[in-house]
Amino acid sequence: AQKVTQAQTEISVVEKEDVTLDCVYETRDTTYYLFWYKQPPSGELVFLIRRNSFDEQNEISGRYSWNFQKSTSSFNFTITASQVVDSAVYFCALSEISDSGNTPLVFGKGTRLSVIA
Amino acid sequence: GAVVSQHPSRVICKSGTSVKIECRSLDFQATTMFWYRQFPKQSLMLMATSNEGSKATYEQGVEKDKFLINHASLTLSTLTVTSAHPEDSSFYICSAVTGDPLYEQYFGPGTRLTVT
Repeated sequence: AQKVTQAQTEISVVEKEDVTLDCVYETRDTTYYLFWYKQPPSGELVFLIRRNSFDEQNEISGRYSWNFQKSTSSFNFTITASQVVDSAVYFCALSEISDSGNTPLVFGKGTRLSVIA
Repeated sequence: GAVVSQHPSRVICKSGTSVKIECRSLDFQATTMFWYRQFPKQSLMLMATSNEGSKATYEQGVEKDKFLINHASLTLSTLTVTSAHPEDSSFYICSAVTGDPLYEQYFGPGTRLTVT
């Protein structure tokens, strides 16, 4: 069975601090996708990244970076120089890769990030 | 990216009534759509998989007679909450999957249901 664990329930940081959100996953599949989503108070999920299990390269996009470590089954997300607008709930998710493509996402419980001005 | 809409965005209904939520893929065809439910301050949990032209597949613990899913076309899936009760109050989010080869999943903006 697939499982995603986000051990940090809530994190509070002061603006301009760097913050890392942890994500650990479990799966028996050899190929899978990992995701991060942002959910602001409006509720709409904002897609941040999808990473194929074949690709262990770290990725940077502006102030966001992701560290994928297959050896430890972790896919951590770092925001550098955090801003108040980064305040939201962040979800890590996992899905298997199938030929039919109809596989749902398994979500972690989310980490609520509060950035204080 | 592709766009998925949901209607309504918010709905308040009385206990015992039924509510229909629509999920549309606006610029692509989706043979598969998923319905998730999110209770306050909790994670998203898969309710069911909706496949165009066939019966939906429900997750364990989700009553298929209470949550009716119809995927009548490649761009529309509907979720009907029948005889709604206050405990059905939740945020319902759908997602639609694009076709081969990317199979990317796009989420709708969600529908907040409040049953009084």
